[in-house]
Amino acid sequence: DTEVTQTPKHLVMGMTNKKSLKCEQHMGHRAMYWYKQKAKKPPELMFVYSYEKLSINESVPSRFSPECPNSSLLNLHLHALQPEDSALYLCASSQQRTGSTGELFFGEGSRLTVL
Amino acid sequence: AQSVAQPEDQVNVAEGNPLTVKCTYSVSGNPYLFWYVQYPNRGLQFLLKYITGDNLVKGSYGFEAEFNKSQTSFHLKKPSALVSDSALYFCAVRVSQAGTALIFGKGTTLSVSS
Repeated sequence: DTEVTQTPKHLVMGMTNKKSLKCEQHMGHRAMYWYKQKAKKPPELMFVYSYEKLSINESVPSRFSPECPNSSLLNLHLHALQPEDSALYLCASSQQRTGSTGELFFGEGSRLTVL
Repeated sequence: AQSVAQPEDQVNVAEGNPLTVKCTYSVSGNPYLFWYVQYPNRGLQFLLKYITGDNLVKGSYGFEAEFNKSQTSFHLKKPSALVSDSALYFCAVRVSQAGTALIFGKGTTLSVSS
């Protein structure tokens, strides 16, 4: 059982819609991540938040907008997406402190289909 | 830049036989290496990690991995495969010495036949 909860599990949206993906963890982790994964491919890093501040943006198009309202929550706001954005979006969290060697804990993902 | 490579797209083994899933790495500084497993339509599950210490790392579900500095390898192993081990396996490395995000290899599909 994962301790990182993602909602919704499935989302279908049109190219003109605005929707959001949500992620929640209660492990006290201060680093949170969004990854995008296409079928049978490795997860690709999109964003990293450290202590609720955006620390890495891997040149993601502006139609994806992350938000970290507090240490337990991470959102990904979606607007004007393209069909090629259809993928599994994975949220993860980890400890964030000097010398930390902790692994990332992943949620089950939100499967997004853009029509 | 940190990277890992998984040379095999697929590994096929018979149930009860030992399995090995290969991973090589390229890092500057100390390598922080991880193995994850993904079942269909699921998230990634952590199996094990190497940070420092013993070169043989034991993890979840009977898996272990051997860190070899001279060969820059971190192969995943299990003495006796189960059909339920069939899944997609990813080797991963930290993006940098200071960063905590992971970069993943392309993945290896393990198929265990009964």
